[in-house]
Amino acid sequence: ELKVEQNPLFLSMQEGKNYTIYCNYSTTSDRLYWYRQDPGKSLESLFVLLSNGAVKQEGRLMASLDTKARLSTLHITAAVHDLSATYFCAVDSLAVGGGSNYKLTFGKGTLLTVNP
Amino acid sequence: DAGVTQSPTHLIKTRGQHVTLRCSPISGHKSVSWYQQVLGQGPQFIFQYYEKEERGRGNFPDRFSARQFPNYSSELNVNALLLGDSALYLCASSLWWRDGEQFFGPGTRLTVL
Repeated sequence: ELKVEQNPLFLSMQEGKNYTIYCNYSTTSDRLYWYRQDPGKSLESLFVLLSNGAVKQEGRLMASLDTKARLSTLHITAAVHDLSATYFCAVDSLAVGGGSNYKLTFGKGTLLTVNP
Repeated sequence: DAGVTQSPTHLIKTRGQHVTLRCSPISGHKSVSWYQQVLGQGPQFIFQYYEKEERGRGNFPDRFSARQFPNYSSELNVNALLLGDSALYLCASSLWWRDGEQFFGPGTRLTVL
């Protein structure tokens, strides 16, 4: 069964600093997604990574995918308070029964707090 | 354009009762997925439907069932509620079943007493 592990699970950082969140997964997949969730809110799609070597950037966030290493990273540049949220990575895989059944498996999330 | 909508927003039930949650996808999206998110955890996949057919099922008991209607809206039904079913239930829609990007609704907060 696919396992998706994020680290760190908790990240407290100062404004202006850089940091990276890591997402490791256990089986072959070439599709990985990053989402943001604010407290009490739903999930907002950040990045869709669909191939090995994919890199996407939006503002202070940049995501990359290495399918051979089964690793994705979410890099935060010059953090600001507005980035405080929980960040999830998710990987797709075959669901129970295989075949064309499909499911999305999420990591436990990284709670990011950016302090002034 | 309206995003994914879910109803109700909040729901309180007692153990043993039945609940129906509803979801309307983004216009033009034909795939709907359901997720359960327990506080402090990532969402857990429950079902995916595409063109009214089940395309994926997570590791949930048979008390959980779902269906998709001709207008692509969907219902999630949970029978014989347990305390452990208390969670945020999220619906996500996408253009088709293998689409790279899913758009999530605001969720239904279910509390089982």
